Amino acid sequence: EAGVAQSPRYKIIEKRQSVAFWCNPISGHATLYWYQQILGQGPKLLIQFQNNGVVDDSQLPKDRFSAERLKGVDSTLKIQPAKLEDSAVYLCASSGASGSYEQYFGPGTRLTVT
Amino acid sequence: DQQVKQNSPSLSVQEGRISILNCDYTNSMFDYFLWYKKYPAEGPTFLISISSIKDKNEDGRFTVFLNKSAKHLSLHIVPSQPGDSAVYFCAASGLGAGSYQLTFGKGTKLSVIP
Repeated sequence: EAGVAQSPRYKIIEKRQSVAFWCNPISGHATLYWYQQILGQGPKLLIQFQNNGVVDDSQLPKDRFSAERLKGVDSTLKIQPAKLEDSAVYLCASSGASGSYEQYFGPGTRLTVT
Repeated sequence: DQQVKQNSPSLSVQEGRISILNCDYTNSMFDYFLWYKKYPAEGPTFLISISSIKDKNEDGRFTVFLNKSAKHLSLHIVPSQPGDSAVYFCAASGLGAGSYQLTFGKGTKLSVIP
């Protein structure tokens, strides 16, 4: 079974520019998560989708971050405009059966904002 | 305010000996705990979990112990192998009705010395 796919793997942008990340979860997984992992910290949840609906986006900085999951499969996370403090690894994870605690993570996108 | 704490940023252990990684939590509403392992440039991978109704769960060389009264859990790896060298994240879940969101600690970097 193919794992969670993310692209790009690395991205360098200047502050105030925009950037988008893409995630393709494991086939059939209804729940999708986006996390931000700053160097030296654990992953921090940004947004959770169930199919194509948002379950929780309380920790998403909505003035600059947006996310969507059209058709309940792939998802994109966008930052516009980026700030220096957005430099981090952005991880996408998915989980399958309803009520599953176990999440499967993609390799992440490392974003550097200069 | 950190709800899941891993107070040891790093740990070095000789090959063949026991590795013990510790994790403390502050919120008594957490009812499920997981350990994830992360290699550089990869996403975290699920290792082992434990429900709050148990005090021990074992899977091969890996055992997780839970002490609810102390709000403490630990991961034991016996015997440790060089391939176990990675960052280990403790995660907790159970906040919010029907929520399977994970709250992560900062991680402990384990180095197993051959």
